[in-house]
Amino acid sequence: EAQVTQNPRYLITVTGKKLTVTCSQNMNHEYMSWYRQDPGLGLRQIYYSMNVEVTDKGDVPEGYKVSRKEKRNFPLILESPSPNQTSLYFCASSPGGFNGEFFGPGTRLTVL
Amino acid sequence: DQQVKQNSPSLSVQEGRISILNCDYTNSMFDYFLWYKKYPAEGPTFLISISSIKDKNEDGRFTVFLNKSAKHLSLHIVPSQPGDSAVYFCAALSNTGNQFYFGTGTSLTVIP
Repeated sequence: EAQVTQNPRYLITVTGKKLTVTCSQNMNHEYMSWYRQDPGLGLRQIYYSMNVEVTDKGDVPEGYKVSRKEKRNFPLILESPSPNQTSLYFCASSPGGFNGEFFGPGTRLTVL
Repeated sequence: DQQVKQNSPSLSVQEGRISILNCDYTNSMFDYFLWYKKYPAEGPTFLISISSIKDKNEDGRFTVFLNKSAKHLSLHIVPSQPGDSAVYFCAALSNTGNQFYFGTGTSLTVIP
């Protein structure tokens, strides 16, 4: 089954404790991206990657890092999480822009 | 600044009638426009897209209209069904093909 998987689905952590949210896709897509969804703000792109070892900032990259060492994986790293990073995070992959993106199920992150 | 805007947070429609969801954008350089549907506790699902050189695209019960001069697009769902009740996001793809911009979403309720 074609899918994008994210782990963990739920995470509660404390300020400053480094964390990684994993993302994997099995569709051989070159394009992958991360979003955060906040009330009243919709989905905002954090980072995207056009291919292995190629990443770029989206609209809200501050406080986040990503890496793309393999085509299928695109982890999101929060080196020093803060409460304003409490949000719902989505990973996505795409075969090409106009075909839209396939989204993962989301990761609900709470930073205390 | 929000480049893609959905000014109606919610919409209610009777089953069998037409649902019209609206979206405005500010950047005339967007290449493609897309609509996604999102159920609670799931990631968004791609519905339909339209190229900036077209003014209409149809897929079954879903039709997207693009008015470039007004920088406006709309999604028509005919006939509306209770299973269409969800949050609908409008999105735009930059002309570099790299970055997606999402609206804030419209919650559609189809009343049986």
